[in-house]
Amino acid sequence: DIQMTQSPSSLSASVGDRVTITCRASQVISNYLVWFQQKPGKAPKSLIYGASTLQSGVPSRFSGSGSGTDFTLTISSLQPEDFATYYCQQYNTYPLTFGGGTKVEIK
Amino acid sequence: EVQLVESGGGLVQPGGSLRLSCAASGFTFSDHYMDWVRQAPGKGLEWLGRIRKKANSYTTEYAASVKGRFTFSRDDSKNSLYLQMNSLKTEDTAVYYCGRVSVSDYGDYVGDFWGQGTLVTVSS
Repeated sequence: DIQMTQSPSSLSASVGDRVTITCRASQVISNYLVWFQQKPGKAPKSLIYGASTLQSGVPSRFSGSGSGTDFTLTISSLQPEDFATYYCQQYNTYPLTFGGGTKVEIK
Repeated sequence: EVQLVESGGGLVQPGGSLRLSCAASGFTFSDHYMDWVRQAPGKGLEWLGRIRKKANSYTTEYAASVKGRFTFSRDDSKNSLYLQMNSLKTEDTAVYYCGRVSVSDYGDYVGDFWGQGTLVTVSS
């Protein structure tokens, strides 16, 4: 199975900060990566697919980059509603696998 | 408005069975593959598997952790997805989510919408 490693596992940031989360795949997955946001007690919400394509309705402060094995999710200016846990998932190969998550907390 | 509503969760003893349902609305259910994902209390997300649509013969993919114990099915006439869980273990305790899979701009299949989940507790 492809292992997805996210870092950091948690971070503290302030409103307005630029935040970067990384995800590394144990094998090449091309750009078959999706980023999800999850708030406590809520369903995951898809933010970005194809490593860099924003889902419809997702604010432009979210961006994704990377290909191969190394990927990045960036929030250009953190907003109060962005405090959540973020997961990457590869869909290159079955079984699909998630990263361990990155919890973004208020500083 | 796209909606996925899971139901059927509850408390079950180890070794028992449970059937979850996922009711879909707001989109053409029969056109979509569907996924199941779970989340153990305080833990991350785990993909359980996928069921394809009729044109793909409703074929399935399963994660190793549930293969042989869990079975996915769907009834397109009822816009419903099902997860039959047998031989349940305490480690199956989790919130179970169903998710819609859509064809992306690049022609590949990506999960793009998830229900609110239903809690399954396996305990004696």
